[in-house]
Amino acid sequence: NAGVTQTPKFRILKIGQSMTLQCAQDMNHNYMYWYRQDPGMGLKLIYYSVGAGITDKGEVPNGYNVSRSTTEDFPLRLELAAPSQTSVYFCASSYSALTDTQYFGPGTRLTVL
Amino acid sequence: TQLLEQSPQFLSIQEGENLTVYCNSSSVFSSLQWYRQEPGEGPVLLVTVVTGGEVKKLKRLTFQFGDARKDSSLHITAAQPGDTGLYLCAGARFNKFYFGSGTKLNVKP
Repeated sequence: NAGVTQTPKFRILKIGQSMTLQCAQDMNHNYMYWYRQDPGMGLKLIYYSVGAGITDKGEVPNGYNVSRSTTEDFPLRLELAAPSQTSVYFCASSYSALTDTQYFGPGTRLTVL
Repeated sequence: TQLLEQSPQFLSIQEGENLTVYCNSSSVFSSLQWYRQEPGEGPVLLVTVVTGGEVKKLKRLTFQFGDARKDSSLHITAAQPGDTGLYLCAGARFNKFYFGSGTKLNVKP
């Protein structure tokens, strides 16, 4: 099992550009999450999904969009990138919510200049 | 505003010392998790506590969930250099996890 995979590992964007961060898990988990982690800080939830076709906003959803067409994949779309979106993005998955282990991907380091 | 406040933010101690990290909130959580994160990697789960007053031990690490399920602590006995890392608490409310800002621990040999 690969667990949770994320691509790309690093990316530099110019202000106003768009991109999609890819996330995939092979553990048949129902729940998937996108977080961002700013330097020296904890993680903030951007969006989450409780199953294919169902997504909901987290703490900091503005400037992002998600979709979940399959159980395995949960891409995060950035439209009109801004310097405030410079961060490390982590995708995570768990079998169910609240008490199950969240398994994290290795992260995508994004810089917006 | 952080829903979960962690303290201290930084901790630098000598090998063999004991330490406690705190995670506090005014909100009630269904469960609370502690993670450890190494530089350049994603967090890795250490423990989940669910019941108010629950205490869990993992070798030299002791985790406690407050009676009212609003706070938690992590105590490390006889810290070792291998314990160095960022420790994060995360509380679960209504299908979402809220992370604290983390405690950066450095254990010097």
